[in-house]
Amino acid sequence: SQQGEEDPQALSIQEGENATMNCSYKTSINNLQWYRQNSGRGLVHLILIRSNEREKHSGRLRVTLDTSKKSSSLLITASRAADTASYFCATSARQGAQKLVFGQGTRLTINP
Amino acid sequence: DAGITQSPRHKVTETGTPVTLRCHQTENHRYMYWYRQDPGHGLRLIHYSYGVKDTDKGEVSDGYSVSRSKTEDFLLTLESATSSQTSVYFCAISESWTSSSTDTQYFGPGTRLTVL
Repeated sequence: SQQGEEDPQALSIQEGENATMNCSYKTSINNLQWYRQNSGRGLVHLILIRSNEREKHSGRLRVTLDTSKKSSSLLITASRAADTASYFCATSARQGAQKLVFGQGTRLTINP
Repeated sequence: DAGITQSPRHKVTETGTPVTLRCHQTENHRYMYWYRQDPGHGLRLIHYSYGVKDTDKGEVSDGYSVSRSKTEDFLLTLESATSSQTSVYFCAISESWTSSSTDTQYFGPGTRLTVL
């Protein structure tokens, strides 16, 4: 069964606007990761947040984690056409588990 | 794609035929994974390997087998392909977890398999 559920399933915004995607999960986690997938390509790791962290930044990406609500959000600021892709959250259940469970993804379209 | 190749990249086959997909890595990572990606299901783990000759089942392993005789190669076999196995297959790798590393995975470019 899927651990992560992403919301919305699809998002379309204008270039320059901010994009926010949400991920909810069901069981306790060690860390949560976000990946990007461009059309026809493999997934690329974006950012990881550990269960004892609440917020993390990387360039134009900001990730938050609320373990009490079992949810995470990915914010992309000042979006660009190149950000058009699908975004997936993935959870790791415990330290050293070496297995990730992926959500179904959010399809983000940036309109010029 | 982090030193990961998959072959073939595209394959069309008929129901009932055997199919083998290959994943090759040059990173010397211990862990290797096979996923399938289908619309509405995200990525689902088929099998994974935690070392040479060490493999385990994932979420959707029925109808699939794997082998890993060398660190760099992980093979996925469909013994008798069915139309329900039409999908895009991704291989991924990750390092062993340590106190300073994570279980981040690195993905290959994918293989699009069509079973007629």
